[in-house]
Amino acid sequence: AQSVTQLGSHVSVSEGALVLLRCNYSSSVPPYLFWYVQYPNQGLQLLLKYTSAATLVKGINGFEAEFKKSETSFHLTKPSAHMSDAAEYFCAVSYGSGNTGKLIFGQGTTLQVKP
Amino acid sequence: DSGVTQTPKHLITATGQRVTLRCSPRSGDLSVYWYQQSLDQGLQFLIQYYNGEERAKGNILERFSAQQFPDLHSELNLSSLELGDSALYFCASRREGGEQFFGPGTRLTVL
Repeated sequence: AQSVTQLGSHVSVSEGALVLLRCNYSSSVPPYLFWYVQYPNQGLQLLLKYTSAATLVKGINGFEAEFKKSETSFHLTKPSAHMSDAAEYFCAVSYGSGNTGKLIFGQGTTLQVKP
Repeated sequence: DSGVTQTPKHLITATGQRVTLRCSPRSGDLSVYWYQQSLDQGLQFLIQYYNGEERAKGNILERFSAQQFPDLHSELNLSSLELGDSALYFCASRREGGEQFFGPGTRLTVL
């Protein structure tokens, strides 16, 4: 079955430190990959997406992610954490094209940013 | 603001009852997806509609049903509610080839 694994349900970093949130997917077919962020009491907002173009994808708020097919990974990074980055982050995959495209989500990683 | 609206924002009801959640997609988006977010199951895909037709089904219980109307808004009907149905229900909309945009969600509490 297709699945997404996010390593670490909680990640804590200091303000200004590197943020690294890990995501691995299981599939023999290259998927579309996404990172979403969820702030408290809000919906999900798209940070970035990979759709088989460049393997290094830049998103909003200074985040980027690199697709590594050999490692079936799509880790999210940000060089310098800001207090406003504290939120829950979800990695998701989609295998449908055209009019399908349902998302399969990882369990989420809560990012804590310490002053 | 994603452009996707969901009503109501909060819903509190009792076991055995039936509720209807409503979603209005972004203008021009033909696809609507429903997801459930709970502490134990995480974010799970329930069902997708495209231009009024069901296109994909996920882990949706038989007690749950959905439809998409000619004006493209969608409703998720939950019946014979159980305590375990308490969750956040999100809808998302998408245009062909694009990404999904999520609404703010409806928080359902079953007492």
